Amino acid sequence: GAVVSQHPSRVICKSGTSVKIECRSLDFQATTMFWYRQFPKQSLMLMATSNEGSKATYEQGVEKDKFLINHASLTLSTLTVTSAHPEDSSFYICSARAGRAKETQYFGPGTRLLVL
Amino acid sequence: AQSVSQHNHHVILSEAASLELGCNYSYGGTVNLFWYVQYPGQHLQLLLKYFSGDPLVKGIKGFEAEFIKSKFSFNLRKPSVQWSDTAEYFCAVIAGGTSYGKLTFGQGTILTVHP
Repeated sequence: GAVVSQHPSRVICKSGTSVKIECRSLDFQATTMFWYRQFPKQSLMLMATSNEGSKATYEQGVEKDKFLINHASLTLSTLTVTSAHPEDSSFYICSARAGRAKETQYFGPGTRLLVL
Repeated sequence: AQSVSQHNHHVILSEAASLELGCNYSYGGTVNLFWYVQYPGQHLQLLLKYFSGDPLVKGIKGFEAEFIKSKFSFNLRKPSVQWSDTAEYFCAVIAGGTSYGKLTFGQGTILTVHP
């Protein structure tokens, strides 16, 4: 089956630093990748949608200058949390989809970010 | 905007008991419906999905779900649960007309199955 990986699996950083999270589709080409955020005991909230080679579409309330998304190739998308603060601490999950809007999304294992 | 509601936050069952997890959505148009499962320490996996046709959908590991349009529901069922079904279950919806297939998730239901 389709596999999506994320790196790193967990990261601890100091407040004010930037953190980059990678999302890779290992055995298929992902035309679209999604980034979610999950707070403890809550559901996944979509942050943004990225299509290869174009700018990401951010959900309402998500700061695009804070959460930079790049989808430079059909197998890689990156999320950079710029000038991270403790309130950015969360579980970030990506998913990837091969084709049209109704195609199944395959999820990565998530990245736990802790900002001190 | 569409929303998804899962009725139970935590369900505790004994092995061999029957399971039904509720899911309701709020959207009046065409929807695509999904159930995802997240086993402890693992990533989200697709259990089953409904796009059209037979409203009773069968998924992996003996799970099934029924789409009842009049009730805006897509409940997940399994006749006899196993200890290995212990996981968190998420219902999700793609509302029709969303060009990029945005998934809206419910809050999740934690299922604990005692041996």
